[in-house]
Amino acid sequence: KNEVEQSPQNLTAQEGEFITINCSYSVGISALHWLQQHPGGGIVSLFMLSSGKKKHGRLIATINIQEKHSSLHITASHPRDSAVYICAVKGGATNKLIFGTGTLLAVQP
Amino acid sequence: EAQVTQNPRYLITVTGKKLTVTCSQNMNHEYMSWYRQDPGLGLRQIYYSMNVEVTDKGDVPEGYKVSRKEKRNFPLILESPSPNQTSLYFCASSRRDFKTNEQFFGPGTRLTVL
Repeated sequence: KNEVEQSPQNLTAQEGEFITINCSYSVGISALHWLQQHPGGGIVSLFMLSSGKKKHGRLIATINIQEKHSSLHITASHPRDSAVYICAVKGGATNKLIFGTGTLLAVQP
Repeated sequence: EAQVTQNPRYLITVTGKKLTVTCSQNMNHEYMSWYRQDPGLGLRQIYYSMNVEVTDKGDVPEGYKVSRKEKRNFPLILESPSPNQTSLYFCASSRRDFKTNEQFFGPGTRLTVL
């Protein structure tokens, strides 16, 4: 079993829909990252969380440390949100990152 | 502009021919890391460095070497590449602070070993 599991693996949505991507992990962590990877490969860091909730534009990320679970929400989705979204956790005392295998999101106009 | 650069972006080589992929950052970050990305396996850490002259193995270090002689540079060396090292490679950097460090990724290097 992977230490970081994401669901769903693939997601197709219509423009304007509210989207949720989930990440569950089985190890103790000091922080959790949400990353975005567009076709063509570049990776961008969206959020880094150690507790609670963060919001940036139409993106919201939450984390529940007790339940070892995080969610990434996209409100009013747009075709330009189409990308792979990757969850990564950082172990307690190191800078090592453990990655989920990603969620491929396609937002159709 | 704050950035992480990698060179080359694309490389096709043959088994056994030593190669180096360079990585450089201009943000004075202490921490740098190399990852490889493979279909179905996601991103996996190869090596990381907490500061100059300090390097450590990640999850898949076999067949790779790194060095950190200067703060800004963190080259990845494949002494004798093999076809199973065909992959997409990313370099990343961040500040050392564990609680607040966002990772900045390079554009990726697509390596094919024939």
